[in-house]
Parts: sequence; C-alpha cells; structure tokens
Amino acid sequence: RKEVEQDPGPFNVPEGATVAFNCTYSNSASQSFFWYRQDCRKEPKLLMSVYSSGNEDGRFTAQLNRASQYISLLIRDSKLSDSATYLCVVNRGTGNQFYFGTGTSLTVIP
Amino acid sequence: GAVVSQHPSWVICKSGTSVKIECRSLDFQATTMFWYRQFPKQSLMLMATSNEGSKATYEQGVEKDKFLINHASLTLSTLTVTSAHPEDSSFYICSALIGRRTGEQYFGPGTRLTVT
Repeated sequence: RKEVEQDPGPFNVPEGATVAFNCTYSNSASQSFFWYRQDCRKEPKLLMSVYSSGNEDGRFTAQLNRASQYISLLIRDSKLSDSATYLCVVNRGTGNQFYFGTGTSLTVIP
Repeated sequence: GAVVSQHPSWVICKSGTSVKIECRSLDFQATTMFWYRQFPKQSLMLMATSNEGSKATYEQGVEKDKFLINHASLTLSTLTVTSAHPEDSSFYICSALIGRRTGEQYFGPGTRLTVT
C-alpha cells in the first residue's frame, strides 16, 4: 500500500462549482499534513497546512480525520486560476521527511 | 515570503558527464533541505535529505555515489549527478524546511535535466 494515496482525477468542473479532494495516508504516527499546489512544469507551492480542528483560508477548507486517516480539501466557488495539480503531503511520523501523493488534477472550465 | 533558488533551471548534457545543481535559500538559513525528482506525470519522489554540516540521508534505491549531495553552508546545498545517463533525465527540485515544527517547505523552481 502506498504511504499517501490520492485520486489522480482529472476533475473537470465549471467555474463557480465546489469540488472536494480526499487523500488517505497509511502511517498513523504522521503529525503534519499539507496541501500543495503545483502548476504544470513548476515547483509545488504551499496552499495550506491542515490542522486537527480543520481550517479555512478564503475559498479553501482543509479537514483532517485521524480515525480514518485521511485529509480533504474543499474548494468553493472555483475560479479558472484554480486549475492545477493538488498534492497531498504527509510527514513520516515525527521526522522531517515527507510523503507526497501523486496529485489530483483539477481543471476549471469557463 | 521565503525564497529558494535553483541553478541552472535547465541543462542538457551528454551521457557520461557530471552535472551540478545548486539550491540556495535567499533570505533565510536552512539547516535542512530536500532533493526531489519528478518524472512526467508522476509525483515528487524524495531522493535525499540534506543537513548542513553532515552527510545527506538517502532514500532507499537512490545511489549516493551517483547523486552527490553537499550542504556546506546554511544557504546552499548542491546535487551532483555523476556520470549521467539518459534515464537520469528528469525534473530535479530542492526544497528548504522552513518550519522544523510545522514541517512547511518552500521549493526551488526546479532544474530540468536532459541527458543525451
């Protein structure tokens, strides 16, 4: 089983739609969780950390479910500029090394 | 925000030659940097963890004699691909660990290596 698994998509949604991605992880000792965004042929950029109580940043909401070992990202009111690959990143237990999901591709259509 | 640079951004080399890639943290000190490789349509794969002043920690399956990492200062880590072969062609990205407690990373823009 992979350490971090994501549905690769692609997700094609119309502008204004709400879309949600899930990511499961296998290491129950993981402590840090992140969503990164990667545009084609570019480096990943941190979108948001995921906190235990869930957190929101504008149109983006991240949730963590430790019992089921998954994190989610909800994007409301999708914009064309949200089109990218969204990477789920989980640390390896308490260490400073990280597992990356394969990414979920999102295309927002006019 | 924190800035990480990489140089070169793109390099083409002949099979058998060595290529050095630099990763610099421009406005902060990074005791820990990471080197990743990404093949087309695949996710980032961690190659090694670079710690300033000590030997790098390599992931299983990554040849440390082929991918030489030097983290000689708090702002610079280098990756040297020795005796490069076409199968080494990939996108190499470094990152710097910003929050040791939070685990946030800032990534360099990447280096696209093509070995002919």
